[in-house]
Amino acid sequence: NAGVTQTPKFQVLKTGQSMTLQCAQDMNHNSMYWYRQDPGMGLRLIYYSASEGTTDKGEVPNGYNVSRLNKREFSLRLESAAPSQTSVYFCASSDAVSSYNSPLHFGNGTRLTVT
Amino acid sequence: AQSVTQLDSHVSVSEGTPVLLRCNYSSSYSPSLFWYVQHPNKGLQLLLKYTSAATLVKGINGFEAEFKKSETSFHLTKPSAHMSDAAEYFCVVVSGGSYIPTFGRGTSLIVHP
Repeated sequence: NAGVTQTPKFQVLKTGQSMTLQCAQDMNHNSMYWYRQDPGMGLRLIYYSASEGTTDKGEVPNGYNVSRLNKREFSLRLESAAPSQTSVYFCASSDAVSSYNSPLHFGNGTRLTVT
Repeated sequence: AQSVTQLDSHVSVSEGTPVLLRCNYSSSYSPSLFWYVQHPNKGLQLLLKYTSAATLVKGINGFEAEFKKSETSFHLTKPSAHMSDAAEYFCVVVSGGSYIPTFGRGTSLIVHP
């Protein structure tokens, strides 16, 4: 059971470079999310997609864009990386549209460093 | 609107002693509440969830949590800590009709031999 798969696992960027973080889920979930995790801050929502074809900003969207490519895939793009975007990024999925108490299923994270 | 406060950033216990991780929430509508665990350099794993059925919820690895509406709390407990319980724990709230879970800042559980 693959669940939620994120790539890459690690990435180092220079300031100003761009990159896309990939996420795919095989659980037929409607909703997908991108979070960043910083020490002492918990997980903060960057963007989410309640269902295929929709995306919305979360708590900390500045500097990021997303694409819900299809029901399975939800990518996160950094157009011009900044040191403040150094973080661990988690993708998650759930069946929230069908049931708001559906739990999140997480990928293993991407550890990004911007120098 | 919804929010969650984890009252302790760190909790330190000895192996074999009880664990209490505290969580208070705020929610405009009937909430669902979750506890997740994150071991070092890993993703997050669901421990347990409350969804308006029984107020005492049992989860994996001997953890349980009690929903107390009058106190707006959802504290996580375990009778006897094990070294493998050392991890970061997150309390999460989702209000009825919302797709968006809100995370607490996490509690780091340290278990001493």
